[in-house]
Amino acid sequence: KQEVTQIPAALSVPEGENLVLNCSFTDSAIYNLQWFRQDPGKGLTSLLLIQSSQREQTSGRLNASLDKSSGRSTLYIAASQPGDSATYLCVSGGSNYKLTFGKGTLLTVNP
Amino acid sequence: EPEVTQTPSHQVTQMGQEVILRCVPISNHLYFYWYRQILGQKVEFLVSFYNNEISEKSEIFDDQFSVERPDGSNFTLKIRSTKLEDSAMYFCASTEDRADTGELFFGEGSRLTVL
Repeated sequence: KQEVTQIPAALSVPEGENLVLNCSFTDSAIYNLQWFRQDPGKGLTSLLLIQSSQREQTSGRLNASLDKSSGRSTLYIAASQPGDSATYLCVSGGSNYKLTFGKGTLLTVNP
Repeated sequence: EPEVTQTPSHQVTQMGQEVILRCVPISNHLYFYWYRQILGQKVEFLVSFYNNEISEKSEIFDDQFSVERPDGSNFTLKIRSTKLEDSAMYFCASTEDRADTGELFFGEGSRLTVL
């Protein structure tokens, strides 16, 4: 059974700082790896989707990497802004879109 | 931009009552899903649905739960007799392409509170 773990559980940084969120998963036989953002009381917004054959994806200030062999993914956020404050979820994709979610990292970017 | 919509945003019900949560997936999507998130816990898979039948379901999705696509636009989750532990945020999601490479789009969720 796939398990997804995210470290740290919470992170507080000053505005402008670069930061890395870490994710590990136990079963490397994944179809893809996604990073979602969840704002309080809101739905899930997909940030980046990395296919199993890819090593990284970039979107604006975000860069996500995937190392299937070691069961790790990272989300790098450059020049963080207060609007980046949210919970970031690492999600592994298996067959039939049976996604396995991590518990998330709660990010607070202080002005 | 097309989006998945869910209603109601919040429902409060008494234990033992039936609840129906509604979802309107993105119009050209063919695969539909329900996930739930109990407060403070991980998002969990409930069920996937394609071609008017369940493709896969988790152990959480017991006989109290059912899903239906009653018309061309709605996708519903019914909980027949709610329990306290059913209190959670329920997320609907849809995707166009079942090939396990596409992007899953989530709605904003329906918060269910069982008293």
